[in-house]
Amino acid sequence: GAGVSQTPSNKVTEKGKYVELRCDPISGHTALYWYRQSLGQGPEFLIYFQGTGAADDSGLPNDRFFAVRPEGSVSTLKIQRTERGDSAVYLCASSSYGQPYTQYFGPGTRLTVL
Amino acid sequence: SQELEQSPQSLIVQEGKNLTINCTSSKTLYGLYWYKQKYGEGLIFLMMLQKGGEEKSHEKITAKLDEKKQQSSLHITASQPSHAGIYLCGAVPPKGGSEKLVFGKGTKLTVNP
Repeated sequence: GAGVSQTPSNKVTEKGKYVELRCDPISGHTALYWYRQSLGQGPEFLIYFQGTGAADDSGLPNDRFFAVRPEGSVSTLKIQRTERGDSAVYLCASSSYGQPYTQYFGPGTRLTVL
Repeated sequence: SQELEQSPQSLIVQEGKNLTINCTSSKTLYGLYWYKQKYGEGLIFLMMLQKGGEEKSHEKITAKLDEKKQQSSLHITASQPSHAGIYLCGAVPPKGGSEKLVFGKGTKLTVNP
């Protein structure tokens, strides 16, 4: 079946602008995760959802970052007042309910803030 | 907080050679994921190890978990150019806690034909 998809694949924006990044999980997966990966680093956790609710948002760096998953499927990561330091690849993953919760990743959205 | 250290950071080998990548955790390992990432792409799941001493294979890639040493090794036999990429280890979270994964920084593998 189809894997995790993310749109757009690339996003270039100017400092101070608002951006939205979208993630479509694997059909039927109840959990959805957002990570951020900077050059030369491993992915860093941002937030994850179990169904519609955020189960852990401890990785969001500040209140400019927000994510929603209103119907328990598609999720949108929203970044307000973007800064150059927000430039990174934003990865989304999903997993089905029950151990071992293997997370399957999408191709990522490369965000560049000029 | 848990940290995963991968070694080496990068590796260049000639096609056909064997190689090993290591991942060491600063805290108790409840299991470990291995992923592969091509430049500019997402992570491809390779395998997950859950029990101490567990060993799994996927094509020519074998990984083993040593719970006592809090580390895992990934071994590639007779490497091919298709094995090139960045290999990432991720710690399985403890049961009952957050499901977030903690990753190492990755090992960049280049295989020269």
